[in-house]
Amino acid sequence: LAKTTQPISMDSYEGQEVNITCSHNNIATNDYITWYQQFPSQGPRFIIQGYKTKVTNEVASLFIPADRKSSTLSLPRVSLSDTAVYYCLVVMDTGRRALTFGSGTRLQVQP
Amino acid sequence: DVKVTQSSRYLVKRTGEKVFLECVQDMDHENMFWYRQDPGLGLRLIYFSYDVKMKEKGDIPEGYSVSREKKERFSLILESASTNQTSMYLCASSLSGRDRNYEQYFGPGTRLTVT
Repeated sequence: LAKTTQPISMDSYEGQEVNITCSHNNIATNDYITWYQQFPSQGPRFIIQGYKTKVTNEVASLFIPADRKSSTLSLPRVSLSDTAVYYCLVVMDTGRRALTFGSGTRLQVQP
Repeated sequence: DVKVTQSSRYLVKRTGEKVFLECVQDMDHENMFWYRQDPGLGLRLIYFSYDVKMKEKGDIPEGYSVSREKKERFSLILESASTNQTSMYLCASSLSGRDRNYEQYFGPGTRLTVT
């Protein structure tokens, strides 16, 4: 099973770009990478998913190198409201087996 | 808007009681999941179901069972609650994954305290 490892915490300032990296060394060929955001007292909220190279949506970009052993969530120009915990989750193809979330990265954005 | 609802936001039970946590989703999702979340441990998968009456163990199924009699409803059962099951319980649902959409939708969570 692909175990994920993330930094425990990160600090940033408003307006900066933040990059959070997740390590998933034994990811399998058909696994996909997903990222979630969680605020206190709420369930996680999906941000983005990807398989390889780069994926971008309206809130974030996801960079996945060719070996797929890691992925980087990029948040452009963060604001105070981006202060949250961010999780990566590796999912088996077909989505039937959702692997354990890592411990997450607590992002603190300062004014 | 996908909605995943959980029967209670807060629950207090005594050791040894049988506890039912209910989860309902309104988007006809095939997959449903139960996680628990503890400080410093992230979310850990207890059980998941990919179809009615189908279930598979997650990483920490001991002390729990599940029931999925209808597609929209997934119940988590603590047969005999213990204090180490005090936690935040999160339910989620998703499409089957056949179309490569793996987004999980989470409910607000149930904070269970076992005394």
